[in-house]
Amino acid sequence: SAVISQKPSRDICQRGTSLTIQCQVDSQVTMMFWYRQQPGQSLTLIATANQGSEATYESGFVIDKFPISRPNLTFSTLTVSNMSPEDSSIYLCSVRPSSGNTIYFGEGSWLTVV
Amino acid sequence: DAKTTQPTSMDCAEGRAANLPCNHSTISGNEYVYWYRQIHSQGPQYIIHGLKNNETNEMASLIITEDRKSSTLILPHATLRDTAVYYCIVVLSNDYKLSFGAGTTVTVRA
Repeated sequence: SAVISQKPSRDICQRGTSLTIQCQVDSQVTMMFWYRQQPGQSLTLIATANQGSEATYESGFVIDKFPISRPNLTFSTLTVSNMSPEDSSIYLCSVRPSSGNTIYFGEGSWLTVV
Repeated sequence: DAKTTQPTSMDCAEGRAANLPCNHSTISGNEYVYWYRQIHSQGPQYIIHGLKNNETNEMASLIITEDRKSSTLILPHATLRDTAVYYCIVVLSNDYKLSFGAGTTVTVRA
């Protein structure tokens, strides 16, 4: 299994500002992903965080809005840039450990933009 | 990825088995069936996954039909803490991108 820590767990942000969310895993993982869950909705994949190279974004998500870093095999960050109230969501990190086919999720970071 | 179809909601009696169906009629040979659940305000919790054989772990059993076009998640003895949204997801091997649908809202009643 993998233990995933996300910071911050909750935050209230002013519109127009940016916030960086951190995802720390207790073991090396081959794959890391970032998801968004808007209020009352299901989860949507934002991007795959690639170690040592640019993230791979899904349709509808762009690097300028959601820059992602992954400097090593246990850590990644997601920045939500120039926030608006529509960005109020839960942002979740998920990982696939180096062995096995199980994908684990963090507890999420609740962002409210006012 | 293949799409899945699940009932919108289900009620289950505490202490009884809960059987959650999922249709995935367009599944391909290299796609797995994964089940997750999400209890309100928490991140999704992995339950179980399988390719073509039935699987069992400490949480649940997964029954996949021989043609792989549908599956059933079985919670053997439902408790109130099993109340959650349950997601059935088909995942391409070596891809691991999860496409979440609306899931089944399961309510366990005393």
